Amino acid sequence: EPEVTQTPSHQVTQMGQEVILRCVPISNHLYFYWYRQILGQKVEFLVSFYNNEISEKSEIFDDQFSVERPDGSNFTLKIRSTKLEDSAMYFCASTEGGAGTLSYEQYFGPGTRLTVT
Amino acid sequence: GQNIDQPTEMTATEGAIVQINCTYQTSGFNGLFWYQQHAGEAPTFLSYNVLDGLEEKGRFSSFLSRSKGYSYLLLKELQMKDSASYLCAVMKAGGYQKVTFGTGTKLQVIP
Repeated sequence: EPEVTQTPSHQVTQMGQEVILRCVPISNHLYFYWYRQILGQKVEFLVSFYNNEISEKSEIFDDQFSVERPDGSNFTLKIRSTKLEDSAMYFCASTEGGAGTLSYEQYFGPGTRLTVT
Repeated sequence: GQNIDQPTEMTATEGAIVQINCTYQTSGFNGLFWYQQHAGEAPTFLSYNVLDGLEEKGRFSSFLSRSKGYSYLLLKELQMKDSASYLCAVMKAGGYQKVTFGTGTKLQVIP
């Protein structure tokens, strides 16, 4: 069964450093997402991406965040200058179609646990 | 904005049926998701309701009433492995792809 993959599974970084989290969405999917989940809290939407551009972003997704689809398979989230409060699990997800479709299965990757020290 | 409410915790007995409710208030609505999330793992898609009514998928069913801003997830023939958090999430209207999650309902299945 096709799946979303993410690397690394765990990333430890020092405050102020840049990190890049990588995702490989399911190959025929067209819509990509990043979410984060701080330990013990709810899943929070960060950004959605379609047709090589951001389609929606949340208030969390400020100038320190950026996303890119550098080639036909990878989808990355960059955090430019990490802060302690960026420590969380970051999930990538993908869907085949958009919100207007009746069948809309969203598949999550296993996540990258980011620890900022 | 969007506000999603669901009970924090529930307990049910193996083999029984449990209903997890979700109410939402939103400025625009496209559809509602249910996800299952085991501790330390990623959410797993269960259902996406766009139209009013009940959709059944094996032991799991999901119901939506758009006029009431209400949904429920029904789990039948509960198994121990169903112990997990169940997340209700709303998709914003307007062709955008923003999904807002509730805090989740932690379900404990007991023998």
